[in-house]
This record gives sequence, C-alpha cells and structure tokens, in this order.
Amino acid sequence: NAGVMQNPRHLVRRRGQEARLRCSPMKGHSHVYWYRQLPEEGLKFMVYLQKENIIDESGMPKERFSAEFPKEGPSILRIQQVVRGDSAAYFCASSGDRRNTEAFFGQGTRLTVV
Amino acid sequence: AQKVTQAQTEISVVEKEDVTLDCVYETRDTTYYLFWYKQPPSGELVFLIRRNSFDEQNEISGRYSWNFQKSTSSFNFTITASQVVDSAVYFCALSEARQAGTALIFGKGTTLSVSS
Repeated sequence: NAGVMQNPRHLVRRRGQEARLRCSPMKGHSHVYWYRQLPEEGLKFMVYLQKENIIDESGMPKERFSAEFPKEGPSILRIQQVVRGDSAAYFCASSGDRRNTEAFFGQGTRLTVV
Repeated sequence: AQKVTQAQTEISVVEKEDVTLDCVYETRDTTYYLFWYKQPPSGELVFLIRRNSFDEQNEISGRYSWNFQKSTSSFNFTITASQVVDSAVYFCALSEARQAGTALIFGKGTTLSVSS
C-alpha cells in the first residue's frame, strides 16, 4: 500500500478557506476511491473516479465538495469554504480493476479546520 | 442492505494473550469480498487480508488467523500471543465485488490495546 501517495499528510485551514487534497494512485491503477474518517468512526465512502470520469459520487456532500481525476496528474479532492465539521482524515485508495477487489490505501490527509 | 458490524469497541489484553476480533456482515450478494485493515497510532491503513465469498478456508499468517463462516456471516480475526505493537484500531470491511466500482463498507473498528 506504500504505492498510493497522498499529500499533504497534514493540512490546516481556517474556516472559509479552500482545501485541496491530492492522491496519486499506485502505478498502473486507474481507479481511485476517496473515503472520509470522522473522529471515532470508520471510513465512509465519498467518491469513485476513473481517469477523467466520476463514476459514483453518492457519498459526497452535495455542496462544497468536488473531486477530479484528470488524464494527467493526481486525483484531487477539493473542499470549498471549509467548516469545522470538515475536520477529518481523508483517505484515498486505488485499484487496478473495476471491481475494487484490491484496495490499497494511501497514508491519508488529516485536515484540521480552525 | 450492506452492513459491517464490529460489536467490540475496545479490547484490552496483556502481552502474550490471544485475542479475537469479531466481524459480522450483511449482504444480499453471493459474490463479495471481505477485508481486514489495521490502523496503528500513526494513522495509516495497513491491508491485512482479503477473502472472497467462495473461499471459506481459514487462513493463518504468522500470529494472525482468520475464521470465515458464511453460515453465521462472520469473518473473525485472531491474534495469537499478542504484542504491544499489535495495539491499533482494526477495521473489517465488505465489498460487493459483483458490481463495478463498488466501494468498501467499513465497520466502526475495534481498538485493541496490548499492555506489557
């Protein structure tokens, strides 16, 4: 799982600012999943992307959150106008096939909103 | 509906004790995958095992073993002769892999504390 790279590891934002979280999947993987871990909870699915396409965003909050996975470069999870409730650990996983039978996670980005 | 239940919120043991972490899942699919992950205090998620629904053979890896029983929808994880380094949060997860792009459904985790 060391192959999935997330940065930054820690991110501090003031309320109202934007947060950008980056995820580079394992080499050869073209499927990316984002999860959020709120304090004292398990991980919750947010969005599933393939290159240049959002396949399933059923777990994404309707407002302020967006994700992309461009043809070149990492996947980006963007949170606009952050609020304290957005403070969490955000994990990215990548998979080499459509069925997510292999799910290797990055080290996560810990977002703190002050 | 799909669901993963880890009824044990916290477990405390002394080094060298054996400990079993329970995981019960719900799914309507006949094809699915079950996972265990370890999250140490440093925060990363460490993949431990993946098991598909057609393979009920129990697995052993060093001090770790897994007991998959479809009849009771359980996928329990046992650590033998626990060590302090085993202290972590352990997550069980389910993927209904028949559908493309199905995300993992996680339990809430069990916090294991091993003292010396």
